[in-house]
Amino acid sequence: GENVEQHPSTLSVQEGDSAVIKCTYSDSASNYFPWYKQELGKGPQLIIDIRSNVGEKKDQRIAVTLNKTAKHFSLHITETQPEDSAVYFCAASKSGGYQKVTFGTGTKLQVIP
Amino acid sequence: DTAVSQTPKYLVTQMGNDKSIKCEQNLGHDTMYWYKQDSKKFLKIMFSYNNKELIINETVPNRFSPKSPDKAHLNLHINSLELGDSAVYFCASSQASLAATDTQYFGPGTRLTVL
Repeated sequence: GENVEQHPSTLSVQEGDSAVIKCTYSDSASNYFPWYKQELGKGPQLIIDIRSNVGEKKDQRIAVTLNKTAKHFSLHITETQPEDSAVYFCAASKSGGYQKVTFGTGTKLQVIP
Repeated sequence: DTAVSQTPKYLVTQMGNDKSIKCEQNLGHDTMYWYKQDSKKFLKIMFSYNNKELIINETVPNRFSPKSPDKAHLNLHINSLELGDSAVYFCASSQASLAATDTQYFGPGTRLTVL
């Protein structure tokens, strides 16, 4: 089955700096890569996703890149703000419905004011 | 309006007891899930139902029994609770169309503590 590795497990950045979280996946058939943000005491919430026919996707301060050949994808957050502090999960899945989403182990991001 | 709701939010119980967690979604989705998040924050799928039919059943002890009375509800019953069952349990839902994997919407979680 799919295996998703995520690094780093913790990340501290100064407010205004950029943060990068990296993930690798094992199943070359995976073609859907969502990123979820989990704030303290809440459930994960999708912040951005990318499909394998796209190499990069941006949404304001958040961007995700995908390298299918190397089977890795990354989340980039620019101009970090204290409210970006949370646990971030990458995930991988195959399209076609009813597929299991495999999550990475999570990265705890702390943005220091 | 709450999209995916779970009750209770906290559950503290003794080893050996039986307990249930309830989940409801008002998004009109066809697919619902149960995830377990351990103390290290690792998220692992347990079950998935589509239109009341079980479609994903991971390697979960048979003390865990999901039930879906209709496509808007997915409950989780746990028999003979053990210390290792302590975790946060998340319910989620998605449209899960055949075109592509869809966004999963998570509930707020139920923190289960087994003493």
